[in-house]
Amino acid sequence: DGGITQSPKYLFRKEGQNVTLSCEQNLNHDAMYWYRQDPGQGLRLIYYSQIVNDFQKGDIAEGYSVSREKKESFPLTVTSAQKNPTAFYLCASSIERQGIYNEQFFGPGTRLTVL
Amino acid sequence: KQEVTQIPAALSVPEGENLVLNCSFTDSAIYNLQWFRQDPGKGLTSLLLIQSSQREQTSGRLNASLDKSSGRSTLYIAASQPGDSATYLCAATSNDYKLSFGAGTTVTVRA
Repeated sequence: DGGITQSPKYLFRKEGQNVTLSCEQNLNHDAMYWYRQDPGQGLRLIYYSQIVNDFQKGDIAEGYSVSREKKESFPLTVTSAQKNPTAFYLCASSIERQGIYNEQFFGPGTRLTVL
Repeated sequence: KQEVTQIPAALSVPEGENLVLNCSFTDSAIYNLQWFRQDPGKGLTSLLLIQSSQREQTSGRLNASLDKSSGRSTLYIAASQPGDSATYLCAATSNDYKLSFGAGTTVTVRA
């Protein structure tokens, strides 16, 4: 069954702590993305990766970091530098970022709450 | 910068009524437009994708139209059912392949 998985579903962070959100896909997609969703707002792009070992900042990358060591995996680390990290985080993938196969498919999300 | 707006923010209709959801975007130079469904606390499910060269796309009871010149897309859902209750988001892909999302329209279909 192909798809995108995210874990954990819920995550709680203490002040000053770094946390890592997992995103795995078995769709054989080259491109992967991280978005943040806040109530009443559209999704905002944090980071994206078009290929293994390469990633680019999105609109709101400050306080976040990513890695892309494997095609299937694109973990997101929320660092202590992110001042307002409480949000719903969504991972997505597409066959390619550019071109006609750029339709994005989303995972189930991780809700991060700062205690 | 592309701005995407969805009005109204919320909509309540009786079962069986047709739904009309609006999406407007400020920059008409888009690559495609995508409609998504989101259930509470869940991820996004892709419903329809309209390429910039197309005027509409259909899937079952769903039909989406695109008018680039006026910066509008409309999602029609025929004969609504309680199971259609969800938040519907549109996203415009700019020519740099970046998606800009609207905040969504939350639909409630009353039985």
